[in-house]
Amino acid sequence: DAKTTQPPSMDCAEGRAANLPCNHSTISGNEYVYWYRQIHSQGPQYIIHGLKNNETNEMASLIITEDRKSSTLILPHATLRDTAVYYCIVRVGSTGTASKLTFGTGTRLQVTL
Amino acid sequence: NAGVTQTPKFQVLKTGQSMTLQCAQDMNHNSMYWYRQDPGMGLRLIYYSASEGTTDKGEVPNGYNVSRLNKREFSLRLESAAPSQTSVYFCASSGRTGGDGRRYNEQFFGPGTRLTVL
Repeated sequence: DAKTTQPPSMDCAEGRAANLPCNHSTISGNEYVYWYRQIHSQGPQYIIHGLKNNETNEMASLIITEDRKSSTLILPHATLRDTAVYYCIVRVGSTGTASKLTFGTGTRLQVTL
Repeated sequence: NAGVTQTPKFQVLKTGQSMTLQCAQDMNHNSMYWYRQDPGMGLRLIYYSASEGTTDKGEVPNGYNVSRLNKREFSLRLESAAPSQTSVYFCASSGRTGGDGRRYNEQFFGPGTRLTVL
């Protein structure tokens, strides 16, 4: 699986959009970009994933560049409850059998008043 | 649905003691996983079970054994605990069935077991 690079920390004001970048310059054509977050030592929570098109769900939007070498997770209106460590993970496929995830150290997002 | 449940929530062991961490899921997922997370680090995969009856090693399997008891339950055993196994242990499952009938493999995690080995 391709490696990812994320900034160690970011700040965001409550109510503003939080834009979390991820570089995955060695991504292969069949690898998806997944985002998870971990709030204060709880179990990680799945947020969103995508292959090459932009994706949106009730939690966030995922923007993947045309060359797929980087992506941005967007939390449109960050709240204090979005303070967490965000992990960008690249892996082959999105369906089928077991999916082994390789977690890095992620980006610690601090949302402030 | 309770999702993924883990017991116990906290445990303190002495070096050399054994214990089993329990995990259960009620989402009819095929695959289950055990991870450990050390302070300030990301999660590392210990073992996983792609389907009932199968188990495979992950990144850090030494010192652990697993049992996929049935589709719902996946246990992790420490036969002789060591201080290096002090960590937070997370269980996860995957295999959500989408509206298209395909099995999607985003993982759902339990709340974790905080283990201290003295």
